[in-house]
Amino acid sequence: EPEVTQTPSHQVTQMGQEVILRCVPISNHLYFYWYRQILGQKVEFLVSFYNNEISEKSEIFDDQFSVERPDGSNFTLKIRSTKLEDSAMYFCASRATGFRNSPLHFGNGTRLTVT
Amino acid sequence: QKEVEQNSGPLSVPEGAIASLNCTYSDRGSQSFFWYRQYSGKSPELIMSIYSNGDKEDGRFTAQLNKASQYVSLLIRDSQPSDSATYLCAVNPISSNTGKLIFGQGTTLQVKP
Repeated sequence: EPEVTQTPSHQVTQMGQEVILRCVPISNHLYFYWYRQILGQKVEFLVSFYNNEISEKSEIFDDQFSVERPDGSNFTLKIRSTKLEDSAMYFCASRATGFRNSPLHFGNGTRLTVT
Repeated sequence: QKEVEQNSGPLSVPEGAIASLNCTYSDRGSQSFFWYRQYSGKSPELIMSIYSNGDKEDGRFTAQLNKASQYVSLLIRDSQPSDSATYLCAVNPISSNTGKLIFGQGTTLQVKP
């Protein structure tokens, strides 16, 4: 069964450094998302991306965050200057269609630790 | 008011029993509802979706939706220790046209052998 792939599985970085989290969505999917989950908390929406542009973003997704689809397969989340509070599990998700009934399929996540 | 609310639990049931997980949501116009299972340290895994009022069954799982009461539930029959996980209720709010899901806090289920 096709799956969403995320790399790396664990990233450790120092405060103030830039990180790029990578995702390869399911190949025929058109809608892409980033979520994060701080330890012990709920899964929170960050951003949705369709047709090579951001379609919606949350309050969490401030100027320190950016997303890009640099080629036909990768979807990346960049955090420009990491803070301690950015430590979390980051999940990429994709969806096949724009129908509301179409579920999101999640990758295995990248655990980001900011020291 | 939280958009999606769940009792965090833990909900403890004996093996073979029925586990009942509940969720309420605030956006009355929401139309699509999903249940995900999340094992500790892992990603959410889709269990079921439901869009119409009533029950939807898939194997040992039954999802129930009552839009008038803004209530979604998940029943797990013949619970197994491998069902022990956190169950996430997710809603696609009518206010968003991007397909995003809003998640509840999750209910931790413990199935005891």
